[in-house]
Amino acid sequence: KAGVTQTPRYLIKTRGQQVTLSCSPISGHRSVSWYQQTPGQGLQFLFEYFSETQRNKGNFPGRFSGRQFSNSRSEMNVSTLELGDSALYLCASSLGTIETQYFGPGTRLLVL
Amino acid sequence: EDQVTQSPEALRLQEGESSSLNCSYTVSGLRGLFWYRQDPGKGPEFLFTLYSAGEEKEKERLKATLTKKESFLHITAPKPEDSATYLCAVQNNNNDMRFGAGTRLTVKP
Repeated sequence: KAGVTQTPRYLIKTRGQQVTLSCSPISGHRSVSWYQQTPGQGLQFLFEYFSETQRNKGNFPGRFSGRQFSNSRSEMNVSTLELGDSALYLCASSLGTIETQYFGPGTRLLVL
Repeated sequence: EDQVTQSPEALRLQEGESSSLNCSYTVSGLRGLFWYRQDPGKGPEFLFTLYSAGEEKEKERLKATLTKKESFLHITAPKPEDSATYLCAVQNNNNDMRFGAGTRLTVKP
C-alpha cells in the first residue's frame, strides 16, 4: 500500500512570493492534516481537512490556507512568504478523526 | 491549553543499554496519545497509539505505557539503528493534536 506522498520535496522561494504544496493521502484515507516543523517550534498543527471540509485549524495567520479535493488529495498554500516560513511542511493522513495519522516525507521550504 | 513535555531532550546510550523516554501531558480530555519516530530529513513514522491509562503496547525493542499524566517509551537493549528523534503527541476531545519537542536518542555501538 503506497504511503503519503508530498510534492515537491524541496522548494526555494523569495519573500513576498506564494507557494502551493501538494499531498496525496494513503488510499482510503479521508482526513488530511498539515503541520509545520521548525527547529525552534517543533511540530505545529496547521489545519485538518475531512471530506473536502476544513474541520480544524491551528493558530496560524490567514496567509496559510488549504483545500481538499474529492479524491482526498490536499493542497496547502502560503501567500506573501516571510523568512520565518522556512520550514519542513508535513502532511499526514488518517481514516478518520481519531485514527492514527501517517506522515509523508515532507516538503522542505526555504524562503530567501 | 494542552501541553506535552518530553524528557530528556537528548539521550546517549551504549548499544544494549536499556532506558526510558518520558512524555508528560496535560490535556482537556484525552482521545489518544501517540508515539512517533523521526529520522533526520524525514516525516515521523508511527509507532504506537495509547487510548487509556494502564494500556501498554510493544513492538520489537520498544514498549509504550500510559498513565493519567504521562507515558513512557521503554527501549530494551537498543541498537544503533534505533537512533532517531522520538516524538510524543496527544489528541484531545476537540481533535486538536499537540506534539512534544521530542527526545533525540543516539545509540553508540
